[in-house]
Amino acid sequence: EIVLTQSPGTLSLSPGEGATLSCRASQGVSSTYLAWYQQKLGQAPRLLIHGASNRATGIPDRFSGSGSGTDFTLTISRLEPEDFAVYYCQHYGSSPAYSFGQGTKLEIK
Amino acid sequence: QVQLQESGPGLVKPSETLSLNCTVSGGSINNYYWSWIRQPPGKGLEWIGYIYYSGTTNYNPSLKSRATISVDTSKNQFSLRLSSVTAADTAVYYCARHFKYCTNGLCYNSCFDPWGQGTLVTVSS
Repeated sequence: EIVLTQSPGTLSLSPGEGATLSCRASQGVSSTYLAWYQQKLGQAPRLLIHGASNRATGIPDRFSGSGSGTDFTLTISRLEPEDFAVYYCQHYGSSPAYSFGQGTKLEIK
Repeated sequence: QVQLQESGPGLVKPSETLSLNCTVSGGSINNYYWSWIRQPPGKGLEWIGYIYYSGTTNYNPSLKSRATISVDTSKNQFSLRLSSVTAADTAVYYCARHFKYCTNGLCYNSCFDPWGQGTLVTVSS
């Protein structure tokens, strides 16, 4: 079973700053199968990035994804007030077929 | 655009069976994979299982065969049954469509979009 570990657990930043969120896999994974989601309080998760670096439809270009192997990164440049939320990485693999990281909470400093 | 809506009882007694439906509107259930995902209050996301419109299923082994997902294409709906529930099964349950991404002649269904709004199911006597 591949375990996804996200860091930091909580990130405190101010609007206008840049954010770097990490997702580390316990073993190498294909970047094709790595996705990122944003979840605001009381809402369902929203797909941001698929295939490690492809923005989903309607996602602003201040969101970008990168990485390969075991280390993946979600970068948010110039934080907007609406970006403060919880972010999850997710992987498609073998068993279980789909797994999520534990999440990073991005909070206003 | 496609929208998903979960429905079912918000309260289930311990040892009983949780039953939820997900109704798909604005598009066909055909030719896609569909999943159930849950989130205990204040915690992270756990994938429960998926079904293809043709009926093929795959489940998270952590649920120890308690989960059953079925599809009714005539109603554009799929369903989840989770047996022998305990308080640990209290969660917001989401249904979601697998995001189909095709490139270079290959198609992938490796993530989820869109999602339903979720429904809270509490297990308590």
